[in-house]
Amino acid sequence: GAGVSQSPSNKVTEKGKDVELRCDPISGHTALYWYRQRLGQGLEFLIYFQGNSAPDKSGLPSDRFSAERTGESVSTLTIQRTQQEDSAVYLCASSRNTGELFFGEGSRLTVL
Amino acid sequence: QQQVKQSPQSLIVQKGGISIINCAYENTAFDYFPWYQQFPGKGPALLIAIRPDVSEKKEGRFTISFNKSAKQFSLHIMDSQPGDSATYFCAASVTGNTGKLIFGQGTTLQVKP
Repeated sequence: GAGVSQSPSNKVTEKGKDVELRCDPISGHTALYWYRQRLGQGLEFLIYFQGNSAPDKSGLPSDRFSAERTGESVSTLTIQRTQQEDSAVYLCASSRNTGELFFGEGSRLTVL
Repeated sequence: QQQVKQSPQSLIVQKGGISIINCAYENTAFDYFPWYQQFPGKGPALLIAIRPDVSEKKEGRFTISFNKSAKQFSLHIMDSQPGDSATYFCAASVTGNTGKLIFGQGTTLQVKP
């Protein structure tokens, strides 16, 4: 597709369950970012992938959060043992060599 | 020191008026200052960005004013239109990774017809 694609668009889960969120970046974009947006808040940086370099995980809030990226394509953000405070919209963005970010529409996670 | 403080939280402007949103930062290592526009249910999209070597940048009806000594920057929307109604975020990042951004809390703008 032409833009960043994220799935699922909505996910409702029970506290304690694991969830996986997927991001398909724009083709040719070497950099991929995950951000979290809590209701009525700004975006919080979570993790950044650039090519084959080690990811910058400095924004991950706890060891329950992890992410992987296969080469310069799909990325998966995994949240283990979800908590209610994990409820948020998780946004993925890609860019060419850390330039302008192009965001997807996000995955809205609700933890009951 | 990593924060970017944005104000106001919400703003109502009449059609044709000027919308002004302000941001302040502490970290002098920041050297890239973008503004993002977000419509409900959509991801943010880059609107305009500035680097500290200039004091102002204009693109159409949108202008960023930058005051390096005061560590402040602002977005001005001239001739505001109902289609500009959205949430606006300022952000900042350091050299080498313009995508690793520190975002402000956002301003919800409503332009009344």
